[in-house]
Amino acid sequence: GNSVTQMEGPVTLSEEAFLTINCTYTATGYPSLFWYVQYPGEGLQLLLKATKADDKGSNKGFEATYRKETTSFHLEKGSVQVSDSAVYFCALGGSARQLTFGSGTQLTVLP
Amino acid sequence: NAGVMQNPRHLVRRRGQEARLRCSPMKGHSHVYWYRQLPEEGLKFMVYLQKENIIDESGMPKERFSAEFPKEGPSILRIQQVVRGDSAAYFCASSPTGGGDYEQYFGPGTRLTVT
Repeated sequence: GNSVTQMEGPVTLSEEAFLTINCTYTATGYPSLFWYVQYPGEGLQLLLKATKADDKGSNKGFEATYRKETTSFHLEKGSVQVSDSAVYFCALGGSARQLTFGSGTQLTVLP
Repeated sequence: NAGVMQNPRHLVRRRGQEARLRCSPMKGHSHVYWYRQLPEEGLKFMVYLQKENIIDESGMPKERFSAEFPKEGPSILRIQQVVRGDSAAYFCASSPTGGGDYEQYFGPGTRLTVT
């Protein structure tokens, strides 16, 4: 079945540091891949997505590239801000009806 | 365009009581998904519904849990005879088209506490 393995947290960075959160997946076929962000006490918001191999999703300075050869979709940002502190979830879609989520990575950015 | 709405935002129930969670999808969306998030964990799929139909309930416990999405009104997730292990955040999502290729829009969640 489908599964998503996500980098363990928590991750603590200083403002303006470079961020990478690793995500790898197992799936049949060619799934769509998503990153969602959850701020404290809120629901999930879609951050970015990619629907086919070599696609790059980007939003608000965050990027992730769909790598079929390594079954990965790592999230990166060149310079994080305090306001980026949240929990980040990698998710897999595709032929399944539902999204399959990773366990989430808590990011804290210190001023 | 209003987003996905869920109510109540917080619900406290004693063991053995019933919990009813409501979800109104975004306007124009006819596909609804329910997910459960246990503390310190990711979201786990429970059930996928279209109007008046349950399409996939493979993630929902066989006992005590049920879901519906009537022709009129919100989708309802019902938990009978709640136990402490049901304490979690329950999120509803909607999409204009079914299937995992399409992004799902999430509501703010209902945080259920069973005492």
